[in-house]
Amino acid sequence: QSALTQPPSASGSPGQSVTISCTGTSSDVGNYDYVSWYQQYPGKAPKLMIYEVTKRPSGVPDRFFGSKSGNTASLTVSGLQAEDEADYYCSSYAGSNVGVFGGGTKLTVL
Amino acid sequence: QVQLVESGGDVVQPGRSLRLSCAASGFTFSGYAMHWVRQAPGKGLEWVAVISYDGGSEFYADSVKGRFSISRDNSKNTLYLQMNSLRVEDTAVYYCAKSGTRIAAYSWYFDLWGRGTLVTVSS
Repeated sequence: QSALTQPPSASGSPGQSVTISCTGTSSDVGNYDYVSWYQQYPGKAPKLMIYEVTKRPSGVPDRFFGSKSGNTASLTVSGLQAEDEADYYCSSYAGSNVGVFGGGTKLTVL
Repeated sequence: QVQLVESGGDVVQPGRSLRLSCAASGFTFSGYAMHWVRQAPGKGLEWVAVISYDGGSEFYADSVKGRFSISRDNSKNTLYLQMNSLRVEDTAVYYCAKSGTRIAAYSWYFDLWGRGTLVTVSS
């Protein structure tokens, strides 16, 4: 149950696109299409942004896009807005009814 | 109103026990698996435990296995986390989170979160 690897920080200017990576192994990210992404503002609960690699829950803007290649999943935020500034966490199923999170990425809108 | 509300967080000494509760409302609680996820101060999220929709199966992270126990009372729409032999490293905000499915392994994600309850383990 080792944590997934995310870059500690990412940044972009308003209107630009930014991609956050989430690297696991062939036992988690690479073996299941059960990767999800969460947005968390300081002092607040996380919010589901992407599930099953690419699906967006109702209400999440289509500026948020999820993808996966091999053992690495990615979250792309296009048309960056000030409100996108938050911490983002990936999560993956790791088999045998256990899961794992990434260490989190702080997204800064310049 | 669809929501989860945690309670029971406190300051406790190492080695002691604590039970957290999570009251669910606004959805069919008995139809979904439920998780506990924790976040140490200034740190990232850590998955703790999951229980199936009917309470028939439960699974734990290695870091809490043998010390923590997850349970649910579907008649009360409430999820629990019994924490025994607490350690300083268990200090965290504990969130309950709803699975999107009846059995968590059918699709692993958390589509509703509570606001969390703080557990501090300190002598």
